[in-house]
Amino acid sequence: QSVLTQPPSVSGAPGQRVTISCTGSSSNIGAGYDVSWYQQLPGTAPKLLIYLNSERPSGVPGRFSGYKSGSSASLAISGLQAEDEAEYYCLSYDNTLTGLYVFGTGTQVTVL
Amino acid sequence: QVQLQESGPGLVRPSETLSLICTVSGYSISSGYYWGWIRQPPGKGLEWIGFIYHSGRTYYTPSLESRVSMSVDTSRNEFSLKLSSVTAADTAVYYCARRAGATGSYYLDNWGQGTLVTVPA
Repeated sequence: QSVLTQPPSVSGAPGQRVTISCTGSSSNIGAGYDVSWYQQLPGTAPKLLIYLNSERPSGVPGRFSGYKSGSSASLAISGLQAEDEAEYYCLSYDNTLTGLYVFGTGTQVTVL
Repeated sequence: QVQLQESGPGLVRPSETLSLICTVSGYSISSGYYWGWIRQPPGKGLEWIGFIYHSGRTYYTPSLESRVSMSVDTSRNEFSLKLSSVTAADTAVYYCARRAGATGSYYLDNWGQGTLVTVPA
C-alpha cells in the first residue's frame, strides 16, 4: 500500500487548470525529500514530467508545473488539452521500512 | 539518447522464478547511475522493486526483499531481475528504468516500454 495519497480522479474542460495533490508524511515529503511526477498515457510506460519538485525535463510543455509545501506536493496542468488525459503518479523517498521509494496512488485526469 | 528494453518470458508458472533482462543503449551502465525495476499489476498503480549500481550494490523494497535478486552485466550493458516463488499476485507489467538525482532527490528519468509477465492462478 502506498504512503503517498492522491485523488483517484480529476477532470476539467479544455483550457482549464487542474491540480493533483500528493499527500505524504513526516517520513517522506515532510522530511524534506523531493518529489517527482510521472505521466502515463494509456498503454504506455510512465514518463518523467517533473523532478526536484518543480523542474521540467527538456520537452515537457510549460503548462505543467509542480510545487511542494510541507508534507504535500502538487502538480498543476494549465490550459488543459485532450492529450493530457492520462494517469499521473508522484514519487518520493521514504525513510521508513515501508520502502525506500514510494509512488503515489495515482490520479486519472479526464478532459471533458 | 538513453533507451532501455525489457526482455524475458511472458508466462511464468506458479512457484517458479521470474527472470527479466533490461538492455541499455545510448549510455554505458559502467559510467554511473543506479538502474532499477518497477512493476504495475493490471489496472493498478506503480510499485518499486529495486535498484542496482554497476558495482553490484543493490537496494530492494522490503516487501519483496526475500524473493528478489538483481545483477548487472557491464560487458553486455544490461541488468537483470529475478523474482522467486512467484504467485498470481506477481502478474504485472515490469518496467526497467534509470534512477537519476542525488540522495533524497531521486527520480526516474528514462524508462523501458515494459513487459507483461503473467503468472496463472
